Amino acid sequence: GESVGLHLPTLSVQEGDNSIINCAYSNSASDYFIWYKQESGKGPQFIIDIRSNMDKRQGQRVTVLLNKTVKHLSLQIAATQPGDSAVYFCAEGFGGGADGLTFGKGTHLIIQP
Amino acid sequence: EPEVTQTPSHQVTQMGQEVILRCVPISNHLYFYWYRQILGQKVEFLVSFYNNEISEKSEIFDDQFSVERPDGSNFTLKIRSTKLEDSAMYFCASSRDQTYGYTFGSGTRLTVV
Repeated sequence: GESVGLHLPTLSVQEGDNSIINCAYSNSASDYFIWYKQESGKGPQFIIDIRSNMDKRQGQRVTVLLNKTVKHLSLQIAATQPGDSAVYFCAEGFGGGADGLTFGKGTHLIIQP
Repeated sequence: EPEVTQTPSHQVTQMGQEVILRCVPISNHLYFYWYRQILGQKVEFLVSFYNNEISEKSEIFDDQFSVERPDGSNFTLKIRSTKLEDSAMYFCASSRDQTYGYTFGSGTRLTVV
């Protein structure tokens, strides 16, 4: 399944399928991008990050892709599990941590059995 | 795994009252942050803090807000005269260095009535 994080706030996928969550960021000067996962009643939890000098980075079951030309970021989750159900936020930053992150609106990922 | 601890988890206050939200960052972290999330909306940056002073603040962080590190372990956010629109989840975060790889707490839900 695929979604645009800012325009389709809910994405439903079957357990075991791959999911892709998309995000359009706003600041062409941003040099750091992060995906966060937020479960109900908890704070954002870091998933994976990528710097602007890269276009792909892989973690455990997750991959982040960055397309600076169109200011687009995506998160791919392989073989989704029930524990992946959460709201996923992309965030962008510039110039180091002190300036704060700008978050997107989030996509609610629902894993169906 | 080290955690950022926030208290209380939920606070209800009357409009016009002062509130203090408390956070205990991870012990060897040097950079501290407050973010807020109005229900159903984006996570928004409020302020960053380093070396006992504010590093950056957003437009939201007006004169009604202040932060303090009163001792070696606590980091507080004070809202002097709460308004209805201050109702939100407030997240504290900390990091060891000036990068975006910080850890969020579970948040304090502030309800202004």
